[in-house]
Amino acid sequence: EVQLVESGGGLVQPGGSLRLSCAGSGFNFRSYWMSWVRQAPGKGLEWVANIRQDGNEKNYVDSGKGRFTISRDNANSAVYLQMNSLRVEDTGVYYCVRDVQDYWIGRYFDNWGQGTLVTVSS
Amino acid sequence: DIQMTQSPSSLSASVGDRVTITCRASQSITNSLNWYQHKAGKAPKLLIYVSSTLQSGVPSRFSGSGSGTDFTLTISSLQPEDFATYYCQQSHSTPFTFGGGTKVEIK
Repeated sequence: EVQLVESGGGLVQPGGSLRLSCAGSGFNFRSYWMSWVRQAPGKGLEWVANIRQDGNEKNYVDSGKGRFTISRDNANSAVYLQMNSLRVEDTGVYYCVRDVQDYWIGRYFDNWGQGTLVTVSS
Repeated sequence: DIQMTQSPSSLSASVGDRVTITCRASQSITNSLNWYQHKAGKAPKLLIYVSSTLQSGVPSRFSGSGSGTDFTLTISSLQPEDFATYYCQQSHSTPFTFGGGTKVEIK
């Protein structure tokens, strides 16, 4: 069974930093892209960042460029999101997502973690 | 960035009703359109990928169609467990973007 378990959320002041972690199990982690998706309170889903299997390609939402860094450790089946210069509008639940990219079939998010709550507030 | 517009933003329906949700992309995304179901406090769930392919384990009352810029999610006979918020998402190009969501409520 595929499992994605996030950790590292919490309360941080504006301008502060936080590092989210996601532990994957039940699948060949190094064979998949991984993404982070967030949901602000009362709002919809927003894709934040993704990373290729080898870690050499990364993409970010515009609001995260220069502030967020996604990384992965395939030996330990983990993906991370380092968030710096946090803003109130970064508040929300952050989901770790398995990002399927199949050349013949297409691309979709087929497994999601339960999420970790990030609160940016003074 | 590709904008995704979902309609309606909410609807009220009864058990057994046929429900249709539409999603429009700001430019052609061929068939790179996925649908998710999200219940409060739970992880979102993939329902349909590449416009019309049913994810394994998802009931056949869910179906998807469309290509280019216009897409539809249909629930043929609404069940009690289907009351949730539904999101479309384009996977044509980054930044991947979601529609604003459609909340399906009990009438």
